[in-house]
Amino acid sequence: NAGVTQTPKFQVLKTGQSMTLQCAQDMNHEYMSWYRQDPGMGLRLIHYSVGAGITDQGEVPNGYNVSRSTTEDFPLRLLSAAPSQTSVYFCACEGAGAGELFFGEGSRLTVL
Amino acid sequence: DAKTTQPPSMDCAEGRAANLPCNHSTISGNEYVYWYRQIHSQGPQYIIHGLKNNETNEMASLIITEDRKSSTLILPHATLRDTAVYYCIVRVGSNSGYALNFGKGTSLLVTP
Repeated sequence: NAGVTQTPKFQVLKTGQSMTLQCAQDMNHEYMSWYRQDPGMGLRLIHYSVGAGITDQGEVPNGYNVSRSTTEDFPLRLLSAAPSQTSVYFCACEGAGAGELFFGEGSRLTVL
Repeated sequence: DAKTTQPPSMDCAEGRAANLPCNHSTISGNEYVYWYRQIHSQGPQYIIHGLKNNETNEMASLIITEDRKSSTLILPHATLRDTAVYYCIVRVGSNSGYALNFGKGTSLLVTP
């Protein structure tokens, strides 16, 4: 039981490049979300999904796309990376009625 | 979701109880109090949550005042591994699409 798995753990991009951060969970949880964390700050919600085929925007969605074709996977796409997207990204999932989020170990992205 | 106020930092001697306060004076009747912690840039880890009554689990105890305007997380016997940033969050239930507002939390340093 791996929980929440994020890949890659580290990535360096050039401005304008695109990439996808992968998130997979084996807990069969409906709710998944992506957060970003900048130095000295708390986590901010980017996008979330309450089930397969359903996504919605969080606090800071600009520059990011998501999709949810399966319960297990919730990839985060950066279409044209910008230095302002340099951050640590966390994926999380939550089971029905539990109120407890399980987080991945994070993906550290640097955009030059 | 109601906002929370936490001290930016606290110290605690190893083996002593760590009492982390949180003010949530605008909490609504259907909002729960959650506590998470984040150790050295790892993914946040759920600790405990409650609505009205005090709660205890293997990690910590949560004391919520009768008017629910504040709460205290208690780590009964702090260890060096409890050094982390602790986040107090209020949220309406689970799977509701509401993001966790992490804020900046309290940085707890446990000293030998």
